[in-house]
Amino acid sequence: EPEVTQTPSHQVTQMGQEVILRCVPISNHLYFYWYRQILGQKVEFLVSFYNNEISEKSEIFDDQFSVERPDGSNFTLKIRSTKLEDSAMYFCASSAQVRGNEQFFGPGTRLTVL
Amino acid sequence: EDKVVQSPLSLVVHEGDTVTLNCSYEVTNFRSLLWYKQEKKAPTFLFMLTSSGIEKKSGRLSSILDKKELFSILNITATQTGDSAVYLCAVFGNEKLTFGTGTRLTIIP
Repeated sequence: EPEVTQTPSHQVTQMGQEVILRCVPISNHLYFYWYRQILGQKVEFLVSFYNNEISEKSEIFDDQFSVERPDGSNFTLKIRSTKLEDSAMYFCASSAQVRGNEQFFGPGTRLTVL
Repeated sequence: EDKVVQSPLSLVVHEGDTVTLNCSYEVTNFRSLLWYKQEKKAPTFLFMLTSSGIEKKSGRLSSILDKKELFSILNITATQTGDSAVYLCAVFGNEKLTFGTGTRLTIIP
């Protein structure tokens, strides 16, 4: 069964460093999303991406964040200068052609900023 | 601001009991409501609801949406220990999913 994959599963970084979180969405999906979940809190939307551009972003997704689809398969989230409060589980999700369709989540990347 | 509220926050029942989880929402440009089960890591998809009054069913789980009253319920009958998880309700509108805080369900053997 096709699934969303994410790498790495766990990333530890120093405050101020740049990190890139990688995702491979399900191959025939066209809509891509990043979410984060701070430990003990709810899942929060960061950004949605369609047709090689951002279609929606939340107030969390400020200038230190960027997303890219560098080739036909990968979808990346870059955090330019990490802060302690960026520590969270980051989930990538993808969905098929129709917006609002079921979103399939990857296993997540746990980011720890020291 | 879009809002999704789930209740109860936490529920502890004995194996074999039936449970009902609630989700109410205020989301502009509503497109769909989704239920997910989250155990250790990623949410796994359960149901997507777009129309009022049509029950979706999968084994012991079922769900229904009321778009007039802006809520949905998730029922689990004959609960098993494997049903222990956090159940998330999320509503898709304005190009994004807005999640509730979840209901933590614990099934005691």
